[in-house]
Amino acid sequence: EPEVTQTPSHQVTQMGQEVILRCVPISNHLYFYWYRQILGQKVEFLVSFYNNEISEKSEIFDDQFSVERPDGSNFTLKIRSTKLEDSAMYFCASGPLDSPEGEKLFFGSGTQLSVL
Amino acid sequence: AQKVTQAQTEISVVEKEDVTLDCVYETRDTTYYLFWYKQPPSGELVFLIRRNSFDEQNEISGRYSWNFQKSTSSFNFTITASQVVDSAVYFCALSPDSGGSYIPTFGRGTSLIVHP
Repeated sequence: EPEVTQTPSHQVTQMGQEVILRCVPISNHLYFYWYRQILGQKVEFLVSFYNNEISEKSEIFDDQFSVERPDGSNFTLKIRSTKLEDSAMYFCASGPLDSPEGEKLFFGSGTQLSVL
Repeated sequence: AQKVTQAQTEISVVEKEDVTLDCVYETRDTTYYLFWYKQPPSGELVFLIRRNSFDEQNEISGRYSWNFQKSTSSFNFTITASQVVDSAVYFCALSPDSGGSYIPTFGRGTSLIVHP
């Protein structure tokens, strides 16, 4: 079965540093998402991306965050100046439109970000 | 606004017991999708099921079964004859059928611990 790939699996960074989390969605998918999960808490929506632009974003997704699909295969989440509270597991997801399973999201295995 | 409530924070059972995980949702959308995801200790999110709001038929897949009751806005998940490998956090999620992007709202999750 095709899968969403995320790299790295773990990222440790110093507060104030920029990080880029990378995702390779499933190739024929059209919608891309980032979610995050702070340890022990629920999975929270950050942003959705379609047709090379943000389609929706949550209040968590402030000016410190940005997303990009630089080359037609990767989908990245950048945090410009990390804060301690950005420490979380970040999940990328993608979803197809024109298929019977268009309503099913495929999640990657996550990147655990630790901000020190 | 959408809301998913998983009132059970943690459930502990002994292997071979049946266990039901509760999920109650709120939405103003007339059509929507409901999901269950499993998050094993390794951290990834594993899709289990999605249910369209039009389809109130209960579903069974091996030891797993789902009971969708639109009248009570519930989408409960039952594991029959639980096994240690079922130990995980289980998330219920809800997304609108907006005809465009699908943005599941997750519940806080129920941690299931199955003891041998």
